[in-house]
Amino acid sequence: DAKTTQPPSMDCAEGRAANLPCNHSTISGNEYVYWYRQIHSQGPQYIIHGLKNNETNEMASLIITEDRKSSTLILPHATLRDTAVYYCIVRAVNDYKLSFGAGTTVTVRA
Amino acid sequence: EAGVAQSPRYKIIEKRQSVAFWCNPISGHATLYWYQQILGQGPKLLIQFQNNGVVDDSQLPKDRFSAERLKGVDSTLKIQPAKLEDSAVYLCASSSQRTDTQYFGPGTRLTVL
Repeated sequence: DAKTTQPPSMDCAEGRAANLPCNHSTISGNEYVYWYRQIHSQGPQYIIHGLKNNETNEMASLIITEDRKSSTLILPHATLRDTAVYYCIVRAVNDYKLSFGAGTTVTVRA
Repeated sequence: EAGVAQSPRYKIIEKRQSVAFWCNPISGHATLYWYQQILGQGPKLLIQFQNNGVVDDSQLPKDRFSAERLKGVDSTLKIQPAKLEDSAVYLCASSSQRTDTQYFGPGTRLTVL
C-alpha cells in the first residue's frame, strides 16, 4: 500500500527539464522520500533520496516542500534514455522496506 | 563495483513444475531482498535477508515459495509447484548497512504455461 500519489504518465521534450511531481501528504518526520526509475526490461535504478532538505546528484535534483507533503524530481536535461517508469517511495528511516506504487511513465520525445 | 547478478534472465516452465532463481548481491552487502513484479505493477517485496537470517517474509507464499541464503552471500528463490499466476519478473536487490540504499539486479522473467 503505497503512501504516494503520482500522475500515471507524462511527456517531456528532449533537452528540456522534466519535473516529476509526487504527493505524500501523510509522510512522517522519520520517513525518507526515495526515487527510483525502471527502464524497460531492466531492474529499478536508484536515483536520489532525501529527508527534509533538497538534494542534488549527478542524475537529478529532489525538491521537497517545507511541509514535506510533496516533492518534485527534476531531470535537468532529459534525454531519450530517460524514458522509464519513475517511482516515488516513502520509506521509514529504520525500515528498509520499499513499497512501490504504479509510478509515472515518462516518455521523452525528440 | 559489480552490480547485483541474477540468473537465469529468462525461464519458461509449465504449471506444476519447479523453478529456481539465483542472486549474487553486491560484494559486502549484508541485506538481500527478493521482489516479484507482475506485468504493469510495481515490484512487491517477497522476502528480506540480513546476512543469512530472514528479517521479513510476510509476503512470501510459503506453501510454494522458499528462499535461502545459507552463507550470507548469494541466495536462491524456489517455486514448487508453479502456478500460472506466478508469471512475473523476479528481482533481487541488496543494500549495505552503511547507506541502506537498495540496488537491483536485472531480474529473471518467468513465464508459466
